[in-house]
Amino acid sequence: QLVLTQSPSASASLGASVKLTCTLSSGHSSYAIAWHQQQPEKGPRYLMKLNSDGSHSKGDGIPDRFSGSSSGAERYLTISSLQSEDEADYYCQTWGTGRVVFGGGTKLTVL
Amino acid sequence: QVTLKESGPVLVKPTETLTLTCTVSGFSLSNARMGVSWIRQPPGKALEWLAHIFSNDEKSYSTSLKSRLTISKDTSKSQVVLTMTNMDPVDTATYYCARIYDAPATYFDYWGQGTLVTVSS
Repeated sequence: QLVLTQSPSASASLGASVKLTCTLSSGHSSYAIAWHQQQPEKGPRYLMKLNSDGSHSKGDGIPDRFSGSSSGAERYLTISSLQSEDEADYYCQTWGTGRVVFGGGTKLTVL
Repeated sequence: QVTLKESGPVLVKPTETLTLTCTVSGFSLSNARMGVSWIRQPPGKALEWLAHIFSNDEKSYSTSLKSRLTISKDTSKSQVVLTMTNMDPVDTATYYCARIYDAPATYFDYWGQGTLVTVSS
């Protein structure tokens, strides 16, 4: 079964870096994912598509502070030079034939 | 400029049928590898995929909701319509439509602002 697992919460200080993790279920380690950001009281915003080899393609206007990487079944989103507006929920999402799956989301707090 | 905008009722009664419309601009629903998906988010909860339709009219539905959902598109009007039958209070959520850019890779590169639907008598 295709499942994405995310930690419910994360925190980091203003100006620091943070690495969020999304884990693919067993047998699905080759799958690409997408990362989406949802700021408070707003709709989601596409950040990037992230492939299993770590290559990624970012959405329009996404700053260089956002980057992605992969290792096995883990997909990472790294945000550097944290700003207050980065405080948001971050969702990973993947797909198979005729199906789409979202992770439960990680709530990032910027201290 | 790519935009998607959801429209529909803000309040529906239990057992009624919900009809939502996504009106898109900045791209054509007939473009190869394009598509539109519907996703919802109950208050305070995570995103949940509902359905999508590709430019070739291929459709897919959430397994758990398949019996209640129908998705269709009108390319000439740049609209994608989702109907959900037999609405229940647990279906109260913000409903989003989102663009699929690189079908069949089903990820969403643009999202609508969402529309909150409340199910209550």
